[in-house]
Amino acid sequence: AQTVTQSQPEMSVQEAETVTLSCTYDTSESDYYLFWYKQPPSRQMILVIRQEAYKQQNATENRFSVNFQKAAKSFSLKISDSQLGDAAMYFCAYMGGSARQLTFGSGTQLTVLP
Amino acid sequence: DTGVSQNPRHKITKRGQNVTFRCDPISEHNRLYWYRQTLGQGPEFLTYFQNEAQLEKSRLLSDRFSAERPKGSFSTLEIQRTEQGDSAMYLCASSQYGTSNYGYTFGSGTRLTVV
Repeated sequence: AQTVTQSQPEMSVQEAETVTLSCTYDTSESDYYLFWYKQPPSRQMILVIRQEAYKQQNATENRFSVNFQKAAKSFSLKISDSQLGDAAMYFCAYMGGSARQLTFGSGTQLTVLP
Repeated sequence: DTGVSQNPRHKITKRGQNVTFRCDPISEHNRLYWYRQTLGQGPEFLTYFQNEAQLEKSRLLSDRFSAERPKGSFSTLEIQRTEQGDSAMYLCASSQYGTSNYGYTFGSGTRLTVV
């Protein structure tokens, strides 16, 4: 079974600074997808960024980028120029090639300090 | 399109009672998923439908849980004889077959408290 591990339960960053959230996963599949989701307090989960395992190029979405290390099974999220609105719980998630379900990590609570 | 809608937003029930939640997915999405999220944890997969067919169920979905999607549109999740351990956020998500690997659209969830 696939597992996703987020070893940082909480992180904080100063506004306008950069922060990196860590995620590792375990799988025997070669074809899969990785995601970072953001869950603000009492609000719905929102997709932040997506990475296809067969692509070597790291995904970027505006201030959000990933460092995907397939051999190490590592998938970290970098948030640049942090904003107060970035404060949320961030979940790393894995989807196998059959695209049937997402497996989530336990989350990292990000606090942005003004 | 208003996204994925879940009702009710909150439900408080006494132990032993039955509860039912409803999820209305994005209209063109034919896949619908249910997840459970306990406090401080990531969502855990419960089950998913493609159209009206329930294609996969997690071991977390005990025999007290039943999900339906009778016409391939909205879905209901029923919990019978609720227990305190059922207290959690129940999340619904939807996607379109063929683009599911682009991620799901989640609803805001139904928070269940069993007292």
